[in-house]
Amino acid sequence: AQSVAQPEDQVNVAEGNPLTVKCTYSVSGNPYLFWYVQYPNRGLQFLLKYITGDNLVKGSYGFEAEFNKSQTSFHLKKPSALVSDSALYFCAVRLEGYSSASKIIFGSGTRLSIRP
Amino acid sequence: GAVVSQHPSWVICKSGTSVKIECRSLDFQATTMFWYRQFPKQSLMLMATSNEGSKATYEQGVEKDKFLINHASLTLSTLTVTSAHPEDSSFYICSAPLAERPHEQFFGPGTRLTVL
Repeated sequence: AQSVAQPEDQVNVAEGNPLTVKCTYSVSGNPYLFWYVQYPNRGLQFLLKYITGDNLVKGSYGFEAEFNKSQTSFHLKKPSALVSDSALYFCAVRLEGYSSASKIIFGSGTRLSIRP
Repeated sequence: GAVVSQHPSWVICKSGTSVKIECRSLDFQATTMFWYRQFPKQSLMLMATSNEGSKATYEQGVEKDKFLINHASLTLSTLTVTSAHPEDSSFYICSAPLAERPHEQFFGPGTRLTVL
């Protein structure tokens, strides 16, 4: 079965330090991977995606993610965390290929908390 | 561009009543929209795929007679929770893909439903 896993419920980082939010996936075929961020009582905002090409993907707000096929991972990273980065982060994978009607399934989410 | 709105943003209703939630693509047409529900501190669970001009496709375990979906136009999908019960209280989020950027989905801000 195709799935995506976020092993950490919460990640705590001091402001200015680098952060990593982990994600692993299990899909048949080529994976289409995404990161979304959710602020309290809000919908999801797109951060970045991996479809093909360079394994290091750069996205919004200074975030980047590295696609690692051998480890089936797509960890989200940022070199220097900001307090405003505190939010809920979801890793997601698109199913059934490259179509606007393709479903997306989400990981369980990781709450990122940045302390001043 | 690519803005998705939801109405209402929050609703409180009595047990046994029905509630309609609207999802609109404001500046683009969407032949497909997706409905998710999110319980507190949990991930988004895909409920159904809404298809313009045809029946919705429901995920396993989602009661189609309880969660009625109507995709009446290329910019509007509605989710009606019929005979609502307290366990239906949740955050409901819709999304729509953009034809020109099918690998991204644009999410509405969500609707918080509380059933008393």
